Amino acid sequence: DTAVSQTPKYLVTQMGNDKSIKCEQNLGHDTMYWYKQDSKKFLKIMFSYNNKELIINETVPNRFSPKSPDKAHLNLHINSLELGDSAVYFCASSRGTGGVRETEAFFGQGTRLTVV
Amino acid sequence: GQSLEQPSEVTAVEGAIVQINCTYQTSGFNGLFWYQQHAGEAPTFLSYNVLDGLEEKGRFSSFLSRSKGYSYLLLKELQMKDSASYLCAVRDGDYKLSFGAGTTVTVRA
Repeated sequence: DTAVSQTPKYLVTQMGNDKSIKCEQNLGHDTMYWYKQDSKKFLKIMFSYNNKELIINETVPNRFSPKSPDKAHLNLHINSLELGDSAVYFCASSRGTGGVRETEAFFGQGTRLTVV
Repeated sequence: GQSLEQPSEVTAVEGAIVQINCTYQTSGFNGLFWYQQHAGEAPTFLSYNVLDGLEEKGRFSSFLSRSKGYSYLLLKELQMKDSASYLCAVRDGDYKLSFGAGTTVTVRA
């Protein structure tokens, strides 16, 4: 069983389109994240949800909107896609947000988004 | 906010020892992580330090000095499969996990 799964794995789309990436974790974790990894391999946090509540919202264009229907799912919707949105997007989860080891993050396999 | 710095690349031969340094600045500190990421794959957890000192885990060890804002990952008896990117990440006072840009390790025969 995959612990953190995200779909699709690859996404090629045209500028201006709207797309969604889905993420599900079966680890029973309370906290989920979206990270963006650009061509220079820099992994940057975008959003974090704890028990369906938004707790981290970095400086991200408001074209990006996360949605957490329950604590096992965190989806990412992107409106009006731009060339600069091309990157690998990783979903991750952790047991919680505090404590000694609660923020060890488990990552999904990534979604490679290419905007043409 | 946080900032983390690591060397961009390191090359070594099989069987060698490699040390990857990470320096950080953060508002509050709640631990430092090292992750391994093979090309095209997800990062996977390697080690965690919250107190000063060395944590050993098989061929991999990680060291932390909180007063110096410094950590290193030591890879011993290098194998070809260790060729990957190694990311240090720090958890700040708000428990947010931020990553460095990663160090690409290339192991040669």
